[in-house]
Amino acid sequence: QVQLQESGPGLVKPSGTLSLTCAVSGGSISSSNWWSWVRQPPGKGLEWIGEIYHSGSTNYNPSLKSRVTISVDKSKNQFSLKLSSVTAADTAVYYCARFYLGELSTTDAFDIWGQGTMVTVSS
Amino acid sequence: AIRMTQSPSSLSASTGDRVTITCRASQGISSYLAWYQQKPGKAPKLLIYAASTLQSGVPSRFSGSGSGTDFTLTISCLQSEDFATYYCQQYYSYFKTFGQGTKVEIK
Repeated sequence: QVQLQESGPGLVKPSGTLSLTCAVSGGSISSSNWWSWVRQPPGKGLEWIGEIYHSGSTNYNPSLKSRVTISVDKSKNQFSLKLSSVTAADTAVYYCARFYLGELSTTDAFDIWGQGTMVTVSS
Repeated sequence: AIRMTQSPSSLSASTGDRVTITCRASQGISSYLAWYQQKPGKAPKLLIYAASTLQSGVPSRFSGSGSGTDFTLTISCLQSEDFATYYCQQYYSYFKTFGQGTKVEIK
């Protein structure tokens, strides 16, 4: 079965760029699904960051769009997140997740999640 | 953005209780709604999609209902493993948004 695993630095300096990768195993990133990033600040709720399709099409959270880039590497079966100009407000657990596309659009959902990785923005 | 508002933000209940959580969308989203359960230190787990369809492997004590702007998640007989935080999420818009969460605590 498909599994997701996030990796990347756990500490990023203010004004720097946060970079994370999500490795997809047990299935192909070229399957008909969107691949997403979701974050959760400590003690707070979930915030969708953006998503990518294997074709390279992307959608981003408008509030983060100017700072976010999501890319896909089909040869490595992984996708990545870059968030620039980070501040303490970007400190969060970052999850990668599969947004499964069902037979009907109503049957879509985030059905598989990575375990999450904590990223702290601090000097 | 479509705003999702859950109520209550937290509740205390006992094992065996029937629990209902409400989620309201700021505009109509048809049945493009999912519910997730999250335990401390863990990733969210999909419970229900399409407002009322139970994800494979999820116990039948969980159920969802609603359409348009008003939705509910019901746990018919609360078990010890159900104490967690629950989130609703809309996918009517490409800009997916979550409710703020409802924490179910032990009374």
